[in-house]
Amino acid sequence: DGGITQSPKYLFRKEGQNVTLSCEQNLNHDAMYWYRQDPGQGLRLIYYSQIVNDFQKGDIAEGYSVSREKKESFPLTVTSAQKNPTAFYLCASSMSVQPQHFGDGTRLSIL
Amino acid sequence: DAKTTQPNSMESNEEEPVHLPCNHSTISGTDYIHWYRQLPSQGPEYVIHGLTSNVNNRMASLAIAEDRKSSTLILHRATLRDAAVYYCILREKGFFGNEKLTFGTGTRLTIIP
Repeated sequence: DGGITQSPKYLFRKEGQNVTLSCEQNLNHDAMYWYRQDPGQGLRLIYYSQIVNDFQKGDIAEGYSVSREKKESFPLTVTSAQKNPTAFYLCASSMSVQPQHFGDGTRLSIL
Repeated sequence: DAKTTQPNSMESNEEEPVHLPCNHSTISGTDYIHWYRQLPSQGPEYVIHGLTSNVNNRMASLAIAEDRKSSTLILHRATLRDAAVYYCILREKGFFGNEKLTFGTGTRLTIIP
């Protein structure tokens, strides 16, 4: 079945450490997105990519980095510069004007 | 960015219809109205979307006001599995046509057995 796979489901980060969250899709979608969700809040856009080798900052890009070397993959790195990284991270993809499809998320916590 | 306003929470009895309201008074002519829902610890799930006319699909109906400043998501017969946070979102069309969604805090729907 086609869909979006996020891994790992749970991730722990030590102070000063960079961590990378994986997002893979087999829907052949051009656009991919990363969102952050804090408890009781809506989703906020971190980065998005509309085509391979191109991406744009969303509303809260500071402390995060991404790459889009393949159409299927859009990994997110949470750097040590992100001082409050504890959150639920969601990846999504879409084709043209069609609705976004979301993965099941990665929950990141600080040790 | 165009914004939406939704009640923080609503309750409904099982097997009864549910009407979830959304106000979007600053909507532009090219903004589509999207509804997603999110179950605990899961990613949002697309429900329905529309531009001007009312829309129906297997999950729900979307009623859009004539002036497009408000809309209502209608679940015709609520089940316990419909308990979720429902987001009303205005889709801003990107340069390539891909959508940029701005999520608010949504409406938490509780279904009473």
